[in-house]
Amino acid sequence: EPEVTQTPSHQVTQMGQEVILRCVPISNHLYFYWYRQILGQKVEFLVSFYNNEISEKSEIFDDQFSVERPDGSNFTLKIRSTKLEDSAMYFCASSDEATQYFGPGTRLLVL
Amino acid sequence: DQQVKQNSPSLSVQEGRISILNCDYTNSMFDYFLWYKKYPAEGPTFLISISSIKDKNEDGRFTVFLNKSAKHLSLHIVPSQPGDSAVYFCAASEGDFGNEKLTFGTGTRLTIIP
Repeated sequence: EPEVTQTPSHQVTQMGQEVILRCVPISNHLYFYWYRQILGQKVEFLVSFYNNEISEKSEIFDDQFSVERPDGSNFTLKIRSTKLEDSAMYFCASSDEATQYFGPGTRLLVL
Repeated sequence: DQQVKQNSPSLSVQEGRISILNCDYTNSMFDYFLWYKKYPAEGPTFLISISSIKDKNEDGRFTVFLNKSAKHLSLHIVPSQPGDSAVYFCAASEGDFGNEKLTFGTGTRLTIIP
């Protein structure tokens, strides 16, 4: 069964460093998303991406964040200058219009 | 901003009995609702969804009921099995389908007692 994959599974970084989280969505899906879950809190929407552009973003998704689909398979989330409060699980999802399917997540720890 | 609420943080149910998980929402623009199951250190796994034009959707042991006037939905699992032990999230979308941003509830931890 097709699934969304994410790398790395864990990332530890120093505050102020740039990180890139990678995702391979399900191959025939056209909609892509990033969500995050801070420990003990709910899953929060960050951004959606369709037709090679951002279709919606939350207030969390400020100028420090960017997304890219550099080729036909990968979907990336870049955080330019990480802050302590960016520590969270980051989930990528892709959709076939009806249902969003989530990857296993990347646990980001900012020290 | 608690647009989607799951008021029971945890629920314990005997194996073989019915599990009922509840979800309330406040945003009347929500038109599509989904339930996800999540194990520790994994991503949410889609279970079942329902459009606001329906009041019930069934898939095997899982049934979702929607009461739009009460802004309430519930997930019924019957019979409950030990593998159902997980955190269950209710999510809602303003679109006709689930391809718009999802707003999640805080989750209910379901424990099935053998």
